[in-house]
Amino acid sequence: AQKVTQAQTEISVVEKEDVTLDCVYETRDTTYYLFWYKQPPSGELVFLIRRNSFDEQNEISGRYSWNFQKSTSSFNFTITASQVVDSAVYFCALSPRKVFGKGTRLSVIA
Amino acid sequence: EAGVAQSPRYKIIEKRQSVAFWCNPISGHATLYWYQQILGQGPKLLIQFQNNGVVDDSQLPKDRFSAERLKGVDSTLKIQPAKLEDSAVYLCASSVNGRSRDTQYFGPGTRLTVL
Repeated sequence: AQKVTQAQTEISVVEKEDVTLDCVYETRDTTYYLFWYKQPPSGELVFLIRRNSFDEQNEISGRYSWNFQKSTSSFNFTITASQVVDSAVYFCALSPRKVFGKGTRLSVIA
Repeated sequence: EAGVAQSPRYKIIEKRQSVAFWCNPISGHATLYWYQQILGQGPKLLIQFQNNGVVDDSQLPKDRFSAERLKGVDSTLKIQPAKLEDSAVYLCASSVNGRSRDTQYFGPGTRLTVL
């Protein structure tokens, strides 16, 4: 069975603080993909990043960075110098079974 | 490029009534997905179409839910009869080919309230 766990239900930070969102997954597939999506108050999920199971290189895109560790089945997401516009619910997802975590609600306070 | 379109955006019905949602995917996308997102939870896949064929409907409550994608383009999801626990946001998404690596593009969703 495939499962995605986002243990942090809600996080609140002050603007400019760094914040890390945790994602732990379970799968028996040898080939799989991990995704992060952002769901702002408007409701539409927006794709942020994809990582395949054979690529453990960390990735940085502007203020966003991702740390994939196969040994701990984790795919964590860090926002550096958070901004109010980062406030949203963030989902980690696992493919091919299209399983989503329950999401982490991030509130960035000015 | 136009995104995934869904209608209506909001729907309020009473239990035991019927309701239908419509989705138009991104042009050229072969794969279409319907998800149910209950408040405070992540999206749950209900059904996945590849062109006009069903790839996965293992989590679709088939006694009351049905979906079709007759011409391999737009799709309709129906609930008949609705129950209180069907209150949720119904999200439609599409991807180029439905491969594991493909990014899904989501529509704005339809918020259903069953009274």
